Amino acid sequence: DTGVSQDPRHKITKRGQNVTFRCDPISEHNRLYWYRQTLGQGPEFLTYFQNEAQLEKSRLLSDRFSAERPKGSFSTLEIQRTEQGDSAMYLCASGPLYEQYFGPGTRLTVT
Amino acid sequence: QQQVKQSPQSLIVQKGGIPIINCAYENTAFDYFPWYQQFPGKGPALLIAIRPDVSEKKEGRFTISFNKSAKQFSLHIMDSQPGDSATYFCAALKAAGNKLTFGGGTRVLVKP
Repeated sequence: DTGVSQDPRHKITKRGQNVTFRCDPISEHNRLYWYRQTLGQGPEFLTYFQNEAQLEKSRLLSDRFSAERPKGSFSTLEIQRTEQGDSAMYLCASGPLYEQYFGPGTRLTVT
Repeated sequence: QQQVKQSPQSLIVQKGGIPIINCAYENTAFDYFPWYQQFPGKGPALLIAIRPDVSEKKEGRFTISFNKSAKQFSLHIMDSQPGDSATYFCAALKAAGNKLTFGGGTRVLVKP
């Protein structure tokens, strides 16, 4: 296992469309996190799973955003009715307890 | 409210120099402090981390100094190389919450 993987790496969509991103964590990690990073800023926490349970959601995660982790393995992050302000890098991380290891991210551009 | 403040925003050093990046936090409930290195277009990579019961930790050329009473910690990059040119982020985590709170980042340029 070489690390956290994310798909797609880049996504360009038109405003109002729905998009879905996938994250495959390091296999032995039971904790999975989603963050959002805009240019020149540090990542901001979105949500966190322990196994299949979603334990915390940020206020940044509006009702247009939904995340799932069925069976406690991979996770998906869906954004409905995308807006230009959603343009960012969406990062997934996984970890055993304290450490968090990030994937390469999905760059979303909303036109 | 920015809970982790990082400085400077950017730093230029000559090869072999020692860039020093500083972070200050407000929430005393934080109990894990990692540093991440990020190259353009890539995800952050975990470099080194410290718990508040330790005042210093070294891993290779990277050293964290931690001052619990001042609520400050810093990253030193010894014998810096051009390949160390990247953006560095400090972060903090509360075990109960488990989400990382990041500083604003420091762009480091190491000139050959």
